Amino acid sequence: EPEVTQTPSHQVTQMGQEVILRCVPISNHLYFYWYRQILGQKVEFLVSFYNNEISEKSEIFDDQFSVERPDGSNFTLKIRSTKLEDSAMYFCASSVTGYSGNTIYFGEGSWLTVV
Amino acid sequence: GENVEQHPSTLSVQEGDSAVIKCTYSDSASNYFPWYKQELGKGPQLIIDIRSNVGEKKDQRIAVTLNKTAKHFSLHITETQPEDSAVYFCAAKKTSGTYKYIFGTGTRLKVLA
Repeated sequence: EPEVTQTPSHQVTQMGQEVILRCVPISNHLYFYWYRQILGQKVEFLVSFYNNEISEKSEIFDDQFSVERPDGSNFTLKIRSTKLEDSAMYFCASSVTGYSGNTIYFGEGSWLTVV
Repeated sequence: GENVEQHPSTLSVQEGDSAVIKCTYSDSASNYFPWYKQELGKGPQLIIDIRSNVGEKKDQRIAVTLNKTAKHFSLHITETQPEDSAVYFCAAKKTSGTYKYIFGTGTRLKVLA
């Protein structure tokens, strides 16, 4: 069964450092997402991406965050200058379509620890 | 703002018993309600979903019910097994105007053998 894959599974970084989290969405999917989950809390929407541009972002997704689809398969989340509060599990997800209540499929997550 | 409340936060049941998890959403424009199961160290996996034009949906031991008037939806697992132990999240989404899913806070289900 096709799946969303994410790397790295776990990254520890110093505060103020840049981090790039990578994702390979399911191959025929056109919509891509990043969600995050702070330990013990709910899964929160960060951003959606379609046709090489951000289609929607949350208030969490400030200027420190950026997303990119550098080639035909990868989808990345960059955090420019990490803060302690960025420590969380970051989930990439993808879906075939965007609006119509279709299923989104999550990867296994990248656990980011900022020290 | 948009919010999804989920209860209980933890639930322990004996193997073979039923488990029920309840969610309430705030945005009346929500009309798609998926349920995700998250096992330790893994991403959320869709287990069942329901759209607003349906009141109930069943898939083997799992069922979901929706009460649009009350803005409630529930997950029912019958004949629970130890492998059902996981964290379950409900979510709500409007099918137009946004790509965003609003998740509940999660329920940690423990099935005791």
